[in-house]
Amino acid sequence: SQTIHQWPATLVQPVGSPLSLECTVEGTSNPNLYWYRQAAGRGLQLLFYSVGIGQISSEVPQNLSASRPQDRQFILSSKKLLLSDSGFYLCAWSDLTSGRAGYEQYFGPGTRLTVT
Amino acid sequence: QQQVKQSPQSLIVQKGGIPIINCAYENTAFDYFPWYQQFPGKGPALLIAIRPDVSEKKEGRFTISFNKSAKQFSLHIMDSQPGDSATYFCAAKGGGGNTGKLIFGQGTTLQVKP
Repeated sequence: SQTIHQWPATLVQPVGSPLSLECTVEGTSNPNLYWYRQAAGRGLQLLFYSVGIGQISSEVPQNLSASRPQDRQFILSSKKLLLSDSGFYLCAWSDLTSGRAGYEQYFGPGTRLTVT
Repeated sequence: QQQVKQSPQSLIVQKGGIPIINCAYENTAFDYFPWYQQFPGKGPALLIAIRPDVSEKKEGRFTISFNKSAKQFSLHIMDSQPGDSATYFCAAKGGGGNTGKLIFGQGTTLQVKP
């Protein structure tokens, strides 16, 4: 079965510091991968998605970047964090070649980032 | 055109009641409509999903009703339990392409009182 991991689970970082959040998926090949941010009590904002290694699409201009160095690894980064980068960061995967609709998207446990 | 509008923002029901959460969309190219359940501090979990060629889908106590002409769909939770207290998100996927991107509603916080 497929599993998705995110780490760290929680992170407190000062303004201006760098950021690296990691997401890995097991049990599937060539998944689509997604990074979302969820502000407190708010909905899900898609930040980046990737349909393959090295292929990254950005949904909103911002202080963040994403990379996919391996098939099942997705990294969210920032060179200098802003207060507004605080939030709950979620990674998700889907496999458009799998059974059923193939559109099902499955989320990881998330990383709670607080920028101070 | 790319929005999914969800209502109500919050909902309180008694145990055994049937909460109903509604979503509306404009883009007729959307071809997949999932619902997610999220508990505090956890990632959203896929609950149930429907394609536009079906008017209703049931999985356990959860039912999606889909009205293609009105461009609306809703989630009904039968015999609701306190354990159903969570935030629920509807979403929609645009047709075609290989991105699988979902557009989410703003969420509904449900409280089921014992």
